[in-house]
Amino acid sequence: AQKVTQAQTEISVVEKEDVTLDCVYETRDTTYYLFWYKQPPSGELVFLIRRNSFDEQNEISGRYSWNFQKSTSSFNFTITASQVVDSAVYFCALCAGGTSYGKLTFGQGTILTVHP
Amino acid sequence: EAQVTQNPRYLITVTGKKLTVTCSQNMNHEYMSWYRQDPGLGLRQIYYSMNVEVTDKGDVPEGYKVSRKEKRNFPLILESPSPNQTSLYFCASSPDWGYEQYFGPGTRLTVT
Repeated sequence: AQKVTQAQTEISVVEKEDVTLDCVYETRDTTYYLFWYKQPPSGELVFLIRRNSFDEQNEISGRYSWNFQKSTSSFNFTITASQVVDSAVYFCALCAGGTSYGKLTFGQGTILTVHP
Repeated sequence: EAQVTQNPRYLITVTGKKLTVTCSQNMNHEYMSWYRQDPGLGLRQIYYSMNVEVTDKGDVPEGYKVSRKEKRNFPLILESPSPNQTSLYFCASSPDWGYEQYFGPGTRLTVT
């Protein structure tokens, strides 16, 4: 069975602080995809990034960066110089091939609050 | 405009009264899926469909049914709703498995 764990239920920071959201996953499949989604207070789900299991390159997009490490089964997300608009629930997700072909598993989510 | 639509957006019903939540996408996506969101539990997949006439159980399929007769539609059916199915439901689609999900706006269901 596949599993995604986001150990941080809630994080509170002050604007301009850097913050890292942790994501640890479990799967026996060698082909899989990892995702991060954002859910702002308005409720919609916004896609942030997709990474496949064969590409361990880290990615940076503006203030956002992602660190994918297969050795520790982690796909962590860092926001640099956080802003109030970053306040949201963030979800990590895993979609694997193999026995769970096509099944998509989300973590429990991390509530990030950025204070002015 | 490329989108996933769900109807109704809000629904209050009583235990045992069959209901259907519709989901439609206009992007010609192969993959469609239903999720429920509950506080502290994140999003949990109910059912997914890799193509027309192909559906598979997600992590929480009990009490739900789906069908995929056409590529664009993927309705969620609750034949005998119970209060523990009170939740926020999201439909989503993607070009294929492993791609980013395009989510609908959500349906808030209350079963009394």
